[in-house]
Amino acid sequence: GENVEQHPSTLSVQEGDSAVIKCTYSDSASNYFPWYKQELGKGPQLIIDIRSNVGEKKDQRIAVTLNKTAKHFSLHITETQPEDSAVYFCAALGAGRRALTFGSGTRLQVQP
Amino acid sequence: DAGVIQSPRHEVTEMGQEVTLRCKPISGHNSLFWYRQTMMRGLELLIYFNNNVPIDDSGMPEDRFSAKMPNASFSTLKIQPSEPRDSAVYFCASSLPGARGETQYFGPGTRLLVL
Repeated sequence: GENVEQHPSTLSVQEGDSAVIKCTYSDSASNYFPWYKQELGKGPQLIIDIRSNVGEKKDQRIAVTLNKTAKHFSLHITETQPEDSAVYFCAALGAGRRALTFGSGTRLQVQP
Repeated sequence: DAGVIQSPRHEVTEMGQEVTLRCKPISGHNSLFWYRQTMMRGLELLIYFNNNVPIDDSGMPEDRFSAKMPNASFSTLKIQPSEPRDSAVYFCASSLPGARGETQYFGPGTRLLVL
């Protein structure tokens, strides 16, 4: 089955700096890669996703890149703000499957 | 849209008691997922349903856990008997099939504490 590894487990940045979280996946047939943000006491919320037919996607301060050859994808947050502090999860969906496999999460702390 | 609704939000029970967690998916979504989240194991998929039919229950820990989806708007996850190691946050998520069917929308979770 699919295996997703996520790094780092914790990340602390100064407000205004950029943050990068990286994930690798094992199943070369995986074709959908969402990122979720989980705030304290809440369920994960989708913030951005990318499909295997594109290499990069942006949404304001958030971007995701995908390298299919290397089987890794990354989340980039620019101009970080204190409200970006949360746990971020990457996930991958294998072709023909409906269940996501999640990474272990990254706790991002943005210092004001 | 009310989003995925879960109840109760918090549950404290004693070891050996039966626990029932409830989920109402987003209207029109035909896939429903139950996850468990702990510090040690992260987000684990327990079971998922498609059109009310269980598709994959390989993540269900053991026979003490059972899940049902009697109709498109309701699902339950039952633990009987409960044990302290079942303490976790349980999430329900739903998704819509099609081009964006992979997008799963999570509920707020049920925080379970078994004493």
